[in-house]
Amino acid sequence: AQSVTQLDSQVPVFEEAPVELRCNYSSSVSVYLFWYVQYPNQGLQLLLKYLSGSTLVKGINGFEAEFNKSQTSFHLRKPSVHISDTAEYFCAVSQTIQGAQKLVFGQGTRLTINP
Amino acid sequence: NAGVTQTPKFQVLKTGQSMTLQCAQDMNHEYMSWYRQDPGMGLRLIHYSVGAGITDQGEVPNGYNVSRSTTEDFPLRLLSAAPSQTSVYFCASTRGTNNEQFFGPGTRLTVL
Repeated sequence: AQSVTQLDSQVPVFEEAPVELRCNYSSSVSVYLFWYVQYPNQGLQLLLKYLSGSTLVKGINGFEAEFNKSQTSFHLRKPSVHISDTAEYFCAVSQTIQGAQKLVFGQGTRLTINP
Repeated sequence: NAGVTQTPKFQVLKTGQSMTLQCAQDMNHEYMSWYRQDPGMGLRLIHYSVGAGITDQGEVPNGYNVSRSTTEDFPLRLLSAAPSQTSVYFCASTRGTNNEQFFGPGTRLTVL
């Protein structure tokens, strides 16, 4: 069975500092990987996804993530954060089982940007 | 397009009451799903549907029923609410497999 572990439940950083949110997954087969962001009192929206090809994936709002198959990781990075990046971030792994997409989410990482 | 819509936004129930959370999408997506979000646990899949007339259980289906009579609508029913069902519920839809899921704004449910 697939599982996703986000190694940090909370990450506080100062504005304009770089940030990395860590995500590890376990799966015995090929997977597709996603990062979603949830702003306060809103639903989730897609930041970026890895399906195949280049292991460095660029998303919206200046975020990027690198797929590392040997380390089963998909860490999210941004070189310089802004106050508006304050949100909860979810890593998810997807697998197609009997024609249906199953998404398994990590526990979430709350990113807090301090001025 | 309105995307994925959910009603109500907030609901308070007493233990044992029943209710239906509504979800609709106007993107002609065949795949729809319901998740619950609890602190420190991420989102967990309750039920999903790969098309009209086809539903299946997810990770935490107990206490919930679903049906899918049309492509657009995917209601979630609580037959006898329990305090353990206090949560935020999200509906999502997607086209095909391994594509982006579009989420609704959520329903915050409290069961007393």
